[in-house]
Amino acid sequence: AQSVTQLGSHVSVSEGALVLLRCNYSSSVPPYLFWYVQYPNQGLQLLLKYTSAATLVKGINGFEAEFKKSETSFHLTKPSAHMSDAAEYFCAVSVAGELSFGAGTTVTVRA
Amino acid sequence: NAGVTQTPKFQVLKTGQSMTLQCAQDMNHNSMYWYRQDPGMGLRLIYYSASEGTTDKGEVPNGYNVSRLNKREFSLRLESAAPSQTSVYFCAGTPQNTGELFFGEGSRLTVL
Repeated sequence: AQSVTQLGSHVSVSEGALVLLRCNYSSSVPPYLFWYVQYPNQGLQLLLKYTSAATLVKGINGFEAEFKKSETSFHLTKPSAHMSDAAEYFCAVSVAGELSFGAGTTVTVRA
Repeated sequence: NAGVTQTPKFQVLKTGQSMTLQCAQDMNHNSMYWYRQDPGMGLRLIYYSASEGTTDKGEVPNGYNVSRLNKREFSLRLESAAPSQTSVYFCAGTPQNTGELFFGEGSRLTVL
């Protein structure tokens, strides 16, 4: 079975600073990988996905993630944080249609 | 085009009461899911339905039942609510089994 580990339950960044959210996965077969974002009192929405094409994936709102098979990682980055990026972010792995979520990382953006 | 719609958005129950959470989607999704979200635990799958007429248990099915009434609707029932079922519940759908889910806005349930 696959699993996901998100390193750090809370991340605080200054507005304009780099956002880096770490995700490591385990899977015995090539997975699909996802990042979802959840704004307060809302459901999750897809930020970006990796489905075995390009290893550098660009998503919405300036986010991108890089799939590194050798490190079993799929870290999410954004060069310059904006106040509107304050949210909870979930990494997820899908194998044969079965989706597993990480525990989530809450991002706080300081003015 | 409302996407995935859940009702109710908020509910308070007493221990032992029953209730049904409703979910409807207008995106022609084949598969539908019910998750619960608890602090520090991410989302955990309760039940899912790969297609109309089929349902399967997820990671945490105890205390719940589901019904896939038709392609559009997938309901979650708590027969005898317990305080441990206090949570935020999310319904989601996907047209394909790729993990790309479309979520409803959630139903916040408190069991006293």
